[in-house]
Amino acid sequence: EVQLVQSGAEVKKPGESLKISCKGSGYSFTSYWIGWVRQMPGKGLEWMGIIYPGDSDTRYSPSFQGQVTISADKSISTAYLQWSSLKASDTAMYYCARRGVGGNNWFDPWGQGTLVTVSS
Amino acid sequence: QSALTQPRSVSGSPGQSVTISCTGTSSDVGGYNYVSWYQQHPGKAPKLMIYDVSKRPSGVPDRFSGSKSGNTASLTISGLQAEDEADYYCCSYAGSYTFEWVFGGGTKLTVL
Repeated sequence: EVQLVQSGAEVKKPGESLKISCKGSGYSFTSYWIGWVRQMPGKGLEWMGIIYPGDSDTRYSPSFQGQVTISADKSISTAYLQWSSLKASDTAMYYCARRGVGGNNWFDPWGQGTLVTVSS
Repeated sequence: QSALTQPRSVSGSPGQSVTISCTGTSSDVGGYNYVSWYQQHPGKAPKLMIYDVSKRPSGVPDRFSGSKSGNTASLTISGLQAEDEADYYCCSYAGSYTFEWVFGGGTKLTVL
């Protein structure tokens, strides 16, 4: 079964750093792009960026460029989303999702989500 | 890229049909046949329902169908069932240069 399993909920203070993870299983991790999507409380989905674990080619939405860093460690089939200095406005649910086979333009499956709460 | 425009809410009775629209521009919805739709129940992760405008993944009931005309895509759910009550999001590929995707603002479907 193809599966993406994300790391657990985090509670952080403004200014702190954070790295959340997304571990793929049941498929060739290096052959599929992994995207990250933000969902702020009570709001819609926002596409953040995407990485190809095979060669770490990474692209960002202009809205998130410079705000987060996406990376991957193919040796452990895990993608990451990290912040160097969190803000209260980073409070949200974050999902990873696998891009469609053959580089097709849909996302399936999705991870279960990681809730990040930033509060002083 | 601005978010795609969806109605905030739609409703229908069991057995009826509803259609959710998703309006973009020639740079996203109108420029590519790469519109996908996702269903999200409260507290759950999104689930792919339609891809490439009108294709259904295995396991998705054929009550769900998609279409596109110009810069507007649509998701139609026929024979509404209680379990269809959820939020629905459209998504479009938005640029081979910028290599990005854009989501709609989401539509809350209520089954009356």
